[in-house]
Amino acid sequence: SQQGEEDPQALSIQEGENATMNCSYKTSINNLQWYRQNSGRGLVHLILIRSNEREKHSGRLRVTLDTSKKSSSLLITASRAADTASYFCATDRSGSEKLVFGKGTKLTVNP
Amino acid sequence: DAGVTQSPTHLIKTRGQQVTLRCSPKSGHDTVSWYQQALGQGPQFIFQYYEEEERQRGNFPDRFSGHQFPNYSSELNVNALLLGDSALYLCASSSNRGDTEAFFGQGTRLTVV
Repeated sequence: SQQGEEDPQALSIQEGENATMNCSYKTSINNLQWYRQNSGRGLVHLILIRSNEREKHSGRLRVTLDTSKKSSSLLITASRAADTASYFCATDRSGSEKLVFGKGTKLTVNP
Repeated sequence: DAGVTQSPTHLIKTRGQQVTLRCSPKSGHDTVSWYQQALGQGPQFIFQYYEEEERQRGNFPDRFSGHQFPNYSSELNVNALLLGDSALYLCASSSNRGDTEAFFGQGTRLTVV
């Protein structure tokens, strides 16, 4: 079964608005990573947040992590049409080499 | 820095055939993982290679096998292809230093007919 579950499954916003996606997971983790995927192509790494971190920023991206609730959120500010893609969270558990992905959030930014 | 490169980008095979997919990791990375992504789903872990050995394996049958070469590049082999093997196959490279980002290639789109 998938460890991470993104919410919502789909999100449609207007250019300039902010987009927030959430990820929940089930077990303790070492870190959590967010990826973007355009039209079934490869995954682009966005940001990694470690289990001892609560918030991280990268450009227009802001990621939070709440290990007590086993959840993370990805905020994209001032969205652009080019942000249209699927976004996945992936968790890395202690003692395991694999990343466990959710099903992703499909974001559509309308111009 | 070429990043993670995969070949081929697209492939069509007939049921029962065998296929080999290739991956070159990002410069400085020594660990390669393979994932299968079905349409509309998140990637599923197949296995990981480090120091030319399979270090961990996901829930995939023995028809899926791999190899890592001394230059850290890797191959994924799938035997006796089934229609259900049609998917995007993604290679990820990372450093064995631990707790680091995994970078993915563009993937190989395999269609089994």
